[in-house]
This record gives sequence, structure tokens and C-alpha cells, in this order.
Amino acid sequence: DAGITQSPRHKVTETGTPVTLRCHQTENHRYMYWYRQDPGHGLRLIHYSYGVKDTDKGEVSDGYSVSRSKTEDFLLTLESATSSQTSVYFCATKALGLYNEQFFGPGTRLTVL
Amino acid sequence: KQEVTQIPAALSVPEGENLVLNCSFTDSAIYNLQWFRQDPGKGLTSLLLIQSSQREQTSGRLNASLDKSSGRSTLYIAASQPGDSATYLCAVMERGYSGAGSYQLTFGKGTKLSVIP
Repeated sequence: DAGITQSPRHKVTETGTPVTLRCHQTENHRYMYWYRQDPGHGLRLIHYSYGVKDTDKGEVSDGYSVSRSKTEDFLLTLESATSSQTSVYFCATKALGLYNEQFFGPGTRLTVL
Repeated sequence: KQEVTQIPAALSVPEGENLVLNCSFTDSAIYNLQWFRQDPGKGLTSLLLIQSSQREQTSGRLNASLDKSSGRSTLYIAASQPGDSATYLCAVMERGYSGAGSYQLTFGKGTKLSVIP
């Protein structure tokens, strides 16, 4: 457990509205990740960060943006939510070093109506 | 592009049985392989991490093996219990899109395990 919290834990929103999900960690891990999990697709990487202000795209980044202004927080923003973004979103962290594990947060269930 | 496959997708066994879950990956240029457990509606819990230079790793009743050259890993669960019922995911860690210093996981879709009392 890397002391990862996600907020909100559940959210229902309407198509076209902006949404921001927050991931907060207390372990000072360098790397942070956002994934989405969908039936039939498994877990897919959206964006990740390899340091403060250093971010890059993952496999399914279209429609999402991220920001990391301090080590402990990683924000995921849906600029204009669509129904296809209904999913469970997981944040993960990893310490510096090649052989360290990734640890996952509890997830945020997002429903876009 | 890395692809990770887990077989079977679902498995049901009686309590006490030993079982093996399989994971295969297409690109052997990995740093490590991690096995996770996910309970319904919950996050992922890390079970075992095998470094690319290792052949196996053990934790309690769990033993994971890695054959990097053939792109395969197995998770062995001894003396299964109803509390082992969950979805088991394997993931390989490889270099991220940003090159050296960035790492990312590619996941399989998981094996859903049911242990019947």
C-alpha cells in the first residue's frame, strides 16, 4: 500500500461537462499513472508522469489531459466528457528504480450520461 | 506493440486443489513481470514481482515463474481456499514512450478464479 487516495470515488456527470479526477500519494513516488478499466478491454494506460511537470501519453490518451504540479498529486481531466469515457479509473504509483512495484489506488467509478 | 494474454479467462476449482494460471507476452524486452489480485469493485493488490533476470518468486502459497525468452509466466496457487476467489492479472513492465527513465505496465485481461467450498 503506497498511501494512494483517489477523489471522488464515484461521480455521475452529463455529456459535455468537464471532469477532474485527483490522485494523491504520500510515499513520494516519482512515477504516477492513470489507467481505465473496462469489461473486455482490461486495464489500459491513459497518461503517466515520470516527474513533476513531466508527463506523457499512454495507449488511450485521446480526450484526456493530465497535470502534475507537485510530487504528491496527479490530476486527470476530461475536457468534455463523453459516454465512451464511462469507466473505472485507477491511479498507480511507482518508486524510482527499475525493479520497484506499481501500487494502485482504490479507483473512481465515473458514469457519463 | 506488447500484447499480454491470460488463459483461461475463468476457472472454477474445488477447495484444496493446486492450480496454475498462465500469462504470455509477445515482446521479451521487459524489465519485470507483476502479478496482481483484484477483488470485485476493488483496486489491484500486488502479489508478486519477478525481475527479468529471475526465474521465480515465492510468497506463501503463491509461486510465480518467468521464462522471458519464451514470453511466458505462470502463477501457481497451492491448496486453494475460497478466499483466493478473485481476478488475477499479470502485467509486464517495459520502457515507456518517453524512453529511458520512463516505465509502463501492459496488462492481460485477467483470469477470474472461483474456489468452491
